[in-house]
Amino acid sequence: AQSVTQLDSHVSVSEGTPVLLRCNYSSSYSPSLFWYVQHPNKGLQLLLKYTSAATLVKGINGFEAEFKKSETSFHLTKPSAHMSDAAEYFCVVSEFRGSQGNLIFGKGTKLSVKP
Amino acid sequence: DAGVIQSPRHEVTEMGQEVTLRCKPISGHDYLFWYRQTMMRGLELLIYFNNNVPIDDSGMPEDRFSAKMPNASFSTLKIQPSEPRDSAVYFCASRAWTARMNTEAFFGQGTRLTVV
Repeated sequence: AQSVTQLDSHVSVSEGTPVLLRCNYSSSYSPSLFWYVQHPNKGLQLLLKYTSAATLVKGINGFEAEFKKSETSFHLTKPSAHMSDAAEYFCVVSEFRGSQGNLIFGKGTKLSVKP
Repeated sequence: DAGVIQSPRHEVTEMGQEVTLRCKPISGHDYLFWYRQTMMRGLELLIYFNNNVPIDDSGMPEDRFSAKMPNASFSTLKIQPSEPRDSAVYFCASRAWTARMNTEAFFGQGTRLTVV
């Protein structure tokens, strides 16, 4: 069965400092992994995705994530936080098998950015 | 494509009334999802469809909730009768499935439902 654990419900950083949002997954099959961002009162937007190509994935707005199979992790990073990065971030897993189309969402991590 | 379109964007209704939320997925997408988001419970999957057929409705909270997808370009989520605890933001999402890889889901802007 698939599952996703976001290890921090809330992360606070200062502007200009690195961001690390942690995600661990469980999957019986080759997973696809995604990070979505939700700004206040907005819908969910795809940040980046891993689909068994390169293990280091680059996304929008300077975010990156690295797929580490041995650690079953897919942590999201950014070298330097910007005020506009304040939002909620969701890690998502989806298994590639048959016609399974479901996406499993983590509980989200709220990122606060201090001036 | 205009993306996933949900209507209405905001709905305020009185307890006991019927509420219908609408969703138009992206053309060509095989999957359609309905989610509910609240502060207390976060993002919850209610139901999803594959090629217009409901695949998993285990997230539908109770019989007051029903969802239909009469064709590939339209889906509804109905609550009858509505209760204050149904107040939430309801999201619709769609995705295409390919034989080679999983693709991402695209979300609508959501419907903010308030039941008073």
